[in-house]
Amino acid sequence: KNEVEQSPQNLTAQEGEFITINCSYSVGISALHWLQQHPGGGIVSLFMLSSGKKKHGRLIATINIQEKHSSLHITASHPRDSAVYICASGSGSARQLTFGSGTQLTVLP
Amino acid sequence: DTEVTQTPKHLVMGMTNKKSLKCEQHMGHRAMYWYKQKAKKPPELMFVYSYEKLSINESVPSRFSPECPNSSLLNLHLHALQPEDSALYLCASSQSGLVRTGELFFGEGSRLTVL
Repeated sequence: KNEVEQSPQNLTAQEGEFITINCSYSVGISALHWLQQHPGGGIVSLFMLSSGKKKHGRLIATINIQEKHSSLHITASHPRDSAVYICASGSGSARQLTFGSGTQLTVLP
Repeated sequence: DTEVTQTPKHLVMGMTNKKSLKCEQHMGHRAMYWYKQKAKKPPELMFVYSYEKLSINESVPSRFSPECPNSSLLNLHLHALQPEDSALYLCASSQSGLVRTGELFFGEGSRLTVL
């Protein structure tokens, strides 16, 4: 059974700081998703990756398949980045994604 | 159009009411999903439709009844719900129904309160 663990659970940063959120999973996967959820509910897919690194604006996601670990980095953080960040993994044999418990990020001005 | 549209955004219903949640996407995606999310918890999968056919039912009580009238529409019919069913209900879609290849597009959710 795949288990996904995220750390930290809560993170408070000052505006402009570099932020890292970590995600570890227990079984080999086909894809790792990073999702963002703002208060009020809607979820936005930030990245889906199966190897290497992806970058979109100030967001960077990396994955190390051998170590079963992924990180989400936010450069030059801004208060509008405050949200819950969720990683979710999908393995070839699984019928659905396995979600981490989420990281609540608060960026203070 | 990369949106998944859910209506209504908020719904309050009594335990004897019958109501429906609606989800719509026009991205040509062939898989559509219903998730339930309680406060401070990750989403829990309820149902998956693939090519308009129900492919996954995660042992959801029959008081929740999904329907996929066509490839763009997904409904969730609600009847005789319990207060513990109060939650955020999220719809999502993906190009394919394969978790290893399908990037998910989520709607804003319908926040349901059962009195």
